[in-house]
Amino acid sequence: LAKTTQPISMDSYEGQEVNITCSHNNIATNDYITWYQQFPSQGPRFIIQGYKTKVTNEVASLFIPADRKSSTLSLPRVSLSDTAVYYCLLYSSASKIIFGSGTRLSIRP
Amino acid sequence: SAVISQKPSRDICQRGTSLTIQCQVDSQVTMMFWYRQQPGQSLTLIATANQGSEATYESGFVIDKFPISRPNLTFSTLTVSNMSPEDSSIYLCSVTPGQGVEKTQYFGPGTRLLVL
Repeated sequence: LAKTTQPISMDSYEGQEVNITCSHNNIATNDYITWYQQFPSQGPRFIIQGYKTKVTNEVASLFIPADRKSSTLSLPRVSLSDTAVYYCLLYSSASKIIFGSGTRLSIRP
Repeated sequence: SAVISQKPSRDICQRGTSLTIQCQVDSQVTMMFWYRQQPGQSLTLIATANQGSEATYESGFVIDKFPISRPNLTFSTLTVSNMSPEDSSIYLCSVTPGQGVEKTQYFGPGTRLLVL
């Protein structure tokens, strides 16, 4: 089963770019890489999803190398409100849904 | 996207009792999922609930303990049976409204359960 590994925690400051890397060495061919954000007492919120190369939306970018064994979530110019837990998730119709341990991101003024 | 509501939002229960959690979606969806998130931990998938078929449970979770209903494409329930303090957790439902290969999951707000 494909498993994801992320740093347990990260700290940064307002206005900085934050990059969170997720390792998934055993990713399956049909797996899509999805990132979620979770605030305390709330359900996870979808941020971005990709299969390969680079995906960008209004809140983040997702970089996926050619071998797809890792992915990097990039948050540009973070603010205090970006303090949350970020999860990397692999999913396809053929594989089990496995949440990683998550990365607890703390943003300081 | 999908808007998901859960009831109750929180509850305090006595050990040995059962609680049924409801999940309502604002659109018809094929797949619904139930997760558990213990304090400070990541999410663990309990089961997948598809309309018209029996739920599929993950390792460590059994139907007798967590019976699931899926009567239609917008609604599901999860029952936590014969509760013990170890069942204190947040229970979340999620759906995948997409029809393509990629499956974006949308989560409900969760039900916070405390068992005394």
